[in-house]
Amino acid sequence: DQQVKQNSPSLSVQEGRISILNCDYTNSMFDYFLWYKKYPAEGPTFLISISSIKDKNEDGRFTVFLNKSAKHLSLHIVPSQPGDSAVYFCAARGYSSKNEKLTFGTGTRLTIIP
Amino acid sequence: DAGITQSPRHKVTETGTPVTLRCHQTENHRYMYWYRQDPGHGLRLIHYSYGVKDTDKGEVSDGYSVSRSKTEDFLLTLESATSSQTSVYFCAISDQWGSNQPQHFGDGTRLSIL
Repeated sequence: DQQVKQNSPSLSVQEGRISILNCDYTNSMFDYFLWYKKYPAEGPTFLISISSIKDKNEDGRFTVFLNKSAKHLSLHIVPSQPGDSAVYFCAARGYSSKNEKLTFGTGTRLTIIP
Repeated sequence: DAGITQSPRHKVTETGTPVTLRCHQTENHRYMYWYRQDPGHGLRLIHYSYGVKDTDKGEVSDGYSVSRSKTEDFLLTLESATSSQTSVYFCAISDQWGSNQPQHFGDGTRLSIL
């Protein structure tokens, strides 16, 4: 049962245009959502996050939107740059009895076309 | 970058052999995690630690054990490696439970079981 889904395995966008990556979740108990970016042969690096009490968070070229009623979040990158080509994972935070727990989506490979 | 070192970075071994992966951090963070990344599955939590000698299972813990004898080191052991454990393994650390501080990841260990 996949609680966090990224339904687009890949996305290609022209340089300078907007990239929109989507993520859906099923667990209404998730309280915090994160996006990670991953280059080949490296670990995921944190990009941006949003608390469940907000609907938007912006950091430079990156904006994350959260629609709690639809259980949907999206990452907007504008303008897209060649260095943005990477795999993007969304993650959602829940809790076990002893710790917080991140549940990850399967990732979307973003390719920026020069 | 968070001070996380994973060793070895690459390993090839045979079915049935024991394997130990090491995660070393210099951040003095309390929480440490082991994930595996497989195509079509994103990152899945194997085990985590919430303090020295305090560990618990994640969602894919079968066939794995962990130990944490000091704050900076978290070891993942495959007692008798199987081909299904061929994967990329990532260690992550975090400082506070329930805070809006993200987990930070190491650069991974690529493990091949022949």
